[in-house]
Amino acid sequence: EVQLVQSGAEVKKPGESLKISCKGFGYRFTSYWIGWVRQMPGKGLEWMGIIFPDDSDTRYSPSFQGQVTISADKSISTAYLQWSSLKASDAAMYYCARLPLGPYHFDLWGQGALVTVSS
Amino acid sequence: QSALTQPASVSGSPGQSITISCAGTSSDVGGFDYVSWYQQHPGKTPKLMIYDVSNRPSGVSNRFSGSKSGNTASLTISGLQAEDEADYYCSSYTTSHTGVFGGGTKLTVL
Repeated sequence: EVQLVQSGAEVKKPGESLKISCKGFGYRFTSYWIGWVRQMPGKGLEWMGIIFPDDSDTRYSPSFQGQVTISADKSISTAYLQWSSLKASDAAMYYCARLPLGPYHFDLWGQGALVTVSS
Repeated sequence: QSALTQPASVSGSPGQSITISCAGTSSDVGGFDYVSWYQQHPGKTPKLMIYDVSNRPSGVSNRFSGSKSGNTASLTISGLQAEDEADYYCSSYTTSHTGVFGGGTKLTVL
């Protein structure tokens, strides 16, 4: 089955680091971009950034540039989103999603990973 | 880049048609035919409904259609059904080679 499977919910303290993952199944992982989308509680979708796993070409929305790092390991069909020092405002649901070559739209979504940041 | 502008809410009765607008600029919506629309039911993962302004993915009802004029894109849902009640988001490719979402529209089926 073609799917993206994300790592589980995380509970962290402010200042801690975090790396969440997104693994692709059932398709050629290196032929599609992978993107990350934030959804804060009760709020809308926010486009964070994307990566092309084949060559690690990465693009960030200006709002997220320098705030997070997107990476990928094509050998294990997995993309990552990481923070070096979490803030309370990073608490949100984070979705990974696949983009066909373009990349212009998200055609396949992961189940989401809830990140809670609280002291 | 700023989020695309959508109405916060729209409503319609079963069987009616509704249209959700998505206003951008020449740097996003107006500059490319790469507008997409997503449906999200409460507590669920977003689902692609329209891509490249007016194309429907396989499995999406033909009651959903998309269009664009200038810097504004639109999603039209005809023959409204109770199951269409959800949040809808537009998205566009941008001149920065990234993307941007709209603020989202809550559709209520009366």
